[in-house]
Amino acid sequence: NAGVTQTPKFQVLKTGQSMTLQCAQDMNHNSMYWYRQDPGMGLRLIYYSASEGTTDKGEVPNGYNVSRLNKREFSLRLESAAPSQTSVYFCASRPGGLNTEAFFGQGTRLTVV
Amino acid sequence: AQSVTQLGSHVSVSEGALVLLRCNYSSSVPPYLFWYVQYPNQGLQLLLKYTSAATLVKGINGFEAEFKKSETSFHLTKPSAHMSDAAEYFCAVTSSGGYQKVTFGTGTKLQVIP
Repeated sequence: NAGVTQTPKFQVLKTGQSMTLQCAQDMNHNSMYWYRQDPGMGLRLIYYSASEGTTDKGEVPNGYNVSRLNKREFSLRLESAAPSQTSVYFCASRPGGLNTEAFFGQGTRLTVV
Repeated sequence: AQSVTQLGSHVSVSEGALVLLRCNYSSSVPPYLFWYVQYPNQGLQLLLKYTSAATLVKGINGFEAEFKKSETSFHLTKPSAHMSDAAEYFCAVTSSGGYQKVTFGTGTKLQVIP
């Protein structure tokens, strides 16, 4: 019963470095999401993928790219990290229907120095 | 566009007291509404969801919420707070206008005082 698995759990980057956050789900869900969580701002949607082969921008896509590698995997890439990207990142998946809930990973705590 | 507003970023209640966490939604089409809970250093997990079958929805851990269309509200309540309820609570919405998106509120941190 793994659900949604994110790696890594913690990461420290220097400004300008790049990295990819990995996310995989084993529930055969169609939709996958990347959110960032910052104090007082709730969860803000970065990118989402309604189904395999499609991706769309959310509220705060600047500085990020995503890849829906297959139905299971949805990765988030920071090409040139900035201190403003210090945050906790959550991946989530949903079956995709209107009334279906999202299932979340445990999060990745990223610090950019 | 769909959105939710949570009033009060921090709420404190005494153990055994009523818990009331407020959520108002904005949606041009009938919404589907959710409450999630986040314990420290964990991801979010579903408490309950409204899917139009019934306006009063019961969830896990004794929580419930009532959908009131006239007030565009979906407030979360629990009759008697327990220490283990201390967490952050998020209201969320999807709607047919943007059904693949799940939009979250800014969250309410619940403190339970012994």
